[in-house]
Amino acid sequence: GAGVSQSPRYKVAKRGQDVALRCDPISGHVSLFWYQQALGQGPEFLTYFQNEAQLDKSGLPSDRFFAERPEGSVSTLKIQRTQQEDSAVYLCASSISGRPLEQYFGPGTRLTVT
Amino acid sequence: QQPVQSPQAVILREGEDAVINCSSSKALYSVHWYRQKHGEAPVFLMILLKGGEQKGHEKISASFNEKKQQSSLYLTASQLSYSGTYFCGTGSANSGYALNFGKGTSLLVTP
Repeated sequence: GAGVSQSPRYKVAKRGQDVALRCDPISGHVSLFWYQQALGQGPEFLTYFQNEAQLDKSGLPSDRFFAERPEGSVSTLKIQRTQQEDSAVYLCASSISGRPLEQYFGPGTRLTVT
Repeated sequence: QQPVQSPQAVILREGEDAVINCSSSKALYSVHWYRQKHGEAPVFLMILLKGGEQKGHEKISASFNEKKQQSSLYLTASQLSYSGTYFCGTGSANSGYALNFGKGTSLLVTP
């Protein structure tokens, strides 16, 4: 069956460029999460959507990070004026509802900022 | 607060057992276990929601001690396919939807 998909899988950006990362959650999943995973570390929470509403963005590291989910399905994580410390794997996960049920992860986008 | 996992790494021979622990300084609402292979997405293993609850899936099971704010993952008769990094993610009552992950336990099963 179709799982969570993310694109692009790999992105190389020059410092200062803007990037947009896309997440297609599992069809019908209400909740969508973005996590950042640095090399050798566990995923760190960035932001959470329930349908189109962004209910928590406390994990976004700076105002250069922006996420949206305008129609309650596909989500985009945008990073403006990328910095080297933004290099990481960005994981998207979806869950069927807003309750703390299992979250299913996508393969991630590996962002490298040079 | 990030949960603490132990051990950091373990090497097993096929057929041996292992225990991975996850502890938190905060009260827990839920504990989620994932396995991630290099370059791949974390794969959901199980979720534990109640104190004392034990869940199992084939030869992988887990327990959740709410009082001690700990969870343990038990791998019995390990298989080569069990190799990977295991993460526990904890949810609190305040934000049960956002998971706080540990740094992971690297498990290698050798023939």
